[in-house]
Amino acid sequence: QSALTQPASVSGSPGQSITISCTGTSSDVGSYNLVSWYQQHPGKAPKLMIYEVSKRPSGVSNRFSGSKSGNTASLTISGLQAEDEADYYCCSYAGSSTVFGTGTKVTVL
Amino acid sequence: EVQLVESGGGLVQPGGSLRLSCAASGFTFSSYEMNWVRQAPGKGLEWVSYISSSGSTIYYADSVKGRFTISRDNAKNSLYLQMNSLRAEDTAVYYCARGIQLSFWGQGTLVTVSS
Repeated sequence: QSALTQPASVSGSPGQSITISCTGTSSDVGSYNLVSWYQQHPGKAPKLMIYEVSKRPSGVSNRFSGSKSGNTASLTISGLQAEDEADYYCCSYAGSSTVFGTGTKVTVL
Repeated sequence: EVQLVESGGGLVQPGGSLRLSCAASGFTFSSYEMNWVRQAPGKGLEWVSYISSSGSTIYYADSVKGRFTISRDNAKNSLYLQMNSLRAEDTAVYYCARGIQLSFWGQGTLVTVSS
């Protein structure tokens, strides 16, 4: 049950696109299309942004997109906005457990 | 409106016990798997436990196995986490989250383990 690996921080200017990687193993990310992404603002509960690798829940902006290749999943935020500044976590089903990523702080410059 | 409201957190001494509750409303609770997730102060998210919709399948993180027990009462639309033999490292905000993809989260309840 080792955490998935994410970059500690990613930054970008308003309007730019950024991508956050999430690297797991063949036991989690690589084996299941059950990767999700969460946005968490300070002092708030996490919010689901992407599920099943690339699906967006109702109400989530289409500026958020997800993908997966092998053992690595990715979250792309296009047209970066000030309100996107937050912590982001990936998450993968792993059979008899669920594992989160280490978290990435997104800064809008 | 979907709501998950956690309660039962507080200050407890090392070795002590605490029972968390999660009250669900706005959806058919008995149809959904549920999870507990925690977040230590200033740290990332850590999955704690999973229970199937009927309660027949349960999983735990290695860090809590043998000390924590997850359960549910579908008649009361409630999820529980019994926490025994608590340690300082169990200090965290505990969230309940709906579904295998953790699609909706409560606001959390803070558990502090300290003497």
